Amino acid sequence: GNSVTQMEGPVTLSEEAFLTINCTYTATGYPSLFWYVQYPGEGLQLLLKATKADDKGSNKGFEATYRKETTSFHLEKGSVQVSDSAVYFCALSDQGTNAGKSTFGDGTTLTVKP
Amino acid sequence: SAVISQKPSRDICQRGTSLTIQCQVDSQVTMMFWYRQQPGQSLTLIATANQGSEATYESGFVIDKFPISRPNLTFSTLTVSNMSPEDSSIYLCSVEDRQLAGVEQFFGPGTRLTVL
Repeated sequence: GNSVTQMEGPVTLSEEAFLTINCTYTATGYPSLFWYVQYPGEGLQLLLKATKADDKGSNKGFEATYRKETTSFHLEKGSVQVSDSAVYFCALSDQGTNAGKSTFGDGTTLTVKP
Repeated sequence: SAVISQKPSRDICQRGTSLTIQCQVDSQVTMMFWYRQQPGQSLTLIATANQGSEATYESGFVIDKFPISRPNLTFSTLTVSNMSPEDSSIYLCSVEDRQLAGVEQFFGPGTRLTVL
């Protein structure tokens, strides 16, 4: 079956530091990959996605590249802000009939200090 | 994109009672999904709900505990039955949107349930 492994948290950084949150996956098919963000007290929001190998998803300064050879989708940001403090989830879903059945990683809590 | 609303947004319930959570989507969708997010943990799929057929449950979840209704293409309910403190979680409704660029999943704001 499908599985997603995320870098364990929590992660604490100073403002303007570089962020990497590692994500690797196991899938039987050719999945789509996602990063979701959950800000304190809020619902889950899609941050970025990639649907095929070597695609780069990007949004709000965050980037992640779909690496099929290493089955990875690491999240990066060059300079984090206090407002980026949240829980980040890596996820995958099949591109076929089970596309809505996502598999999530355990989440990584990011705290950015001024 | 799909806009999803859930009711209630939060509730505090007594052990042994049941709570029904409603999910409303602003467009017609074939499949709706119910997830659970236990405190400090990730999301786990409970079941998939198709209109006009019985819901399909994931391993570890059963219909008697989590009955689901799907009366039309824009609405679904999830009932958490005979609740215990272990059922305290955020329950999220989700739909998929198939686009030319691939499939995107949208989530509702969640229902935060506390069982005393």
